[in-house]
Amino acid sequence: GQNIDQPTEMTATEGAIVQINCTYQTSGFNGLFWYQQHAGEAPTFLSYNVLDGLEEKGRFSSFLSRSKGYSYLLLKELQMKDSASYLCAVGYQKVTFGIGTKLQVIP
Amino acid sequence: KAGVTQTPRYLIKTRGQQVTLSCSPISGHRSVSWYQQTPGQGLQFLFEYFSETQRNKGNFPGRFSGRQFSNSRSEMNVSTLELGDSALYLCASSLRTGSGVNEKLFFGSGTQLSVL
Repeated sequence: GQNIDQPTEMTATEGAIVQINCTYQTSGFNGLFWYQQHAGEAPTFLSYNVLDGLEEKGRFSSFLSRSKGYSYLLLKELQMKDSASYLCAVGYQKVTFGIGTKLQVIP
Repeated sequence: KAGVTQTPRYLIKTRGQQVTLSCSPISGHRSVSWYQQTPGQGLQFLFEYFSETQRNKGNFPGRFSGRQFSNSRSEMNVSTLELGDSALYLCASSLRTGSGVNEKLFFGSGTQLSVL
């Protein structure tokens, strides 16, 4: 089966850095995705990790450790528009999502 | 290139009725997946279609079914609606091929279904 855990809510200050963790136990693994979902909107792709290590893309970075079943999404220089839910997902035969972390950025 | 299109955007039904939701994927995408999203459960996988064949299925009762047409457009059907079926139904398309490697998903805006 698939089990993906991430915190349900986080709060951070504008301009700061926040790290959203994700742990997973899955029967197989083809890669780990992060998606962003603003309230009332569809999820949009942020990052994809298939090998261990850090992938950097602008203000967003994603890290993967396959041996530990662990990933994190790092958001730097937080902006108010970053307030959204961040979904961790594991790909294998299908893409399975965690429940999502609702991030609130405050002034 | 047009994105994933889902219709209708909103739907209100009563218990016992059935409903059909439609999804048009991005041109060239042959894989279509369906998800149910609720506040307490997050995104739950319903099924995936590739080249008109159901490739994977989630843990939903048989009341939930789907199909894919030769042009990759997909429909999902829910029969004998229950109150608990109220949710946002999201369709996603991808370039995923038969190789099994997951490609990133492009989501539609979803259909918000309310069952009264």
